[in-house]
Amino acid sequence: EVQLVESGGGLVQPGGSLRLSCAASGFSISDHYMEWVRQAPGKGLEWVARSRHKAVYYSTEYIASVKGRFTISRDDSKNSLYLQMNSLKIEDTAVYYCARESRAAGGGKNAFDLWGQGTMVTVSS
Amino acid sequence: QSVLTQPPSVSAAPGQKVTISCSGSRSNIGDEYVSWYQQFPGTAPKLLIYDNNKRPSGIPDRFSGSKSGTSATLGITGLQTGDEADYYCGTWDASLSDVVFGGGTKLTVL
Repeated sequence: EVQLVESGGGLVQPGGSLRLSCAASGFSISDHYMEWVRQAPGKGLEWVARSRHKAVYYSTEYIASVKGRFTISRDDSKNSLYLQMNSLKIEDTAVYYCARESRAAGGGKNAFDLWGQGTMVTVSS
Repeated sequence: QSVLTQPPSVSAAPGQKVTISCSGSRSNIGDEYVSWYQQFPGTAPKLLIYDNNKRPSGIPDRFSGSKSGTSATLGITGLQTGDEADYYCGTWDASLSDVVFGGGTKLTVL
């Protein structure tokens, strides 16, 4: 079955760190751009970070509010995507989704055709 | 404040048609493809439309997308109560080097 499964969420104090993982199955992430998207409680979707594949030198992009604090990475051999989150702020509280960008699967650029179930990150003292 | 602007809510009766607008600028919708997502409460978003007007396999043709200039539109015909959900537009913004989403539109089927 083609799926993404996130893990690693939880409760953390402001200034703390957390590492999210996203395990892919049924396809190889090595062919795909992979993304993290978050959704604060009762709010809309907010793209967080992108990891491009080897052909584009594993380059990354981040939304301005997390640059310098979050690091997206991947291990193609483990078919997994990660998000290291440091210096967490209360406003980082959200459900974090892992998503697959669809161009390599014949879909569109910057369209996300596969999503995980999400993992909740709560930043609170 | 989202880069892409959507109406907070729309409503229509079962069987009717509804459109949801998504307004942006030249650096995003104007020069890039638009995608649309459906999200039910407590679940992950689902891709409905990509490349402005293409439907992934399994998405019924009741759902359609279009783009003109710096605006895009999602259309849903033959509305069903099961279509009640939040709908989001998304695209790439070349000025920001970010993927951007609209603020979302809550569809109510009266």
